[in-house]
Amino acid sequence: QTVVTQEPAFSVSPGGKVTLTCGLTSGPVSTDHFPSWFQQTPGQPPRTLIYSTKSRSSGVPDRFSGSIVGDKAALTITGAQADDESDYYCVLYMGSGISVFGGGTKLTVL
Amino acid sequence: QPQVVESGGGVVQTGRSLRLSCGASGFTFTSYGMHWVRQAPGKGLEWVAVISHDGNNQYYVDSAKGRFTIYRDNSKNTVYLQMTSLRPEDTAVYYCARGGPYVLQYNWFDPWGQGTQVTVSS
Repeated sequence: QTVVTQEPAFSVSPGGKVTLTCGLTSGPVSTDHFPSWFQQTPGQPPRTLIYSTKSRSSGVPDRFSGSIVGDKAALTITGAQADDESDYYCVLYMGSGISVFGGGTKLTVL
Repeated sequence: QPQVVESGGGVVQTGRSLRLSCGASGFTFTSYGMHWVRQAPGKGLEWVAVISHDGNNQYYVDSAKGRFTIYRDNSKNTVYLQMTSLRPEDTAVYYCARGGPYVLQYNWFDPWGQGTQVTVSS
């Protein structure tokens, strides 16, 4: 059973930088997993931030960036703002049409 | 502006069926894969199913295999999720999301709809 791992919670200071990660229990994450990242606030649908590792979705500010760091996918937020306080999810493509979401990271800005 | 809008949610009893619809606009529907993703109350996102751009291929999470069917009507720019033998654990907000184009059809999730609530009562 493949599990996609994310930090359950993270905090960042306003104006600060934070890197959230997305890993696999079965091995390293690569660009072949086409990692995507989403932001979700309570009661709202997910908003796509990053797709295919590092491509930003339309309208997403360049404060958000995606990459592979070591053996994990990473979402870096620079110049954190109060309205960045959200849940962040990643998803990885496992092949054969199957995708798996991580459990999400609750980001607090304080 | 690409957009997807879900409908068809509601309250159903255990063991009954429900069909969700997702209407698409603002893009060439026949070029893109389409996903269903759900979110149980207070929980994270769970990928449920995807269908290829031409409707010829469908893939499911294990818990949906044999009970859910994803299909599309490209003449109506609509993708459906037929759910049968519903269980209380299927209670969730169901989101539709556009996949990528052609070879990337299973790899992207953008944009997302507002979601439709499905509640399965025991």
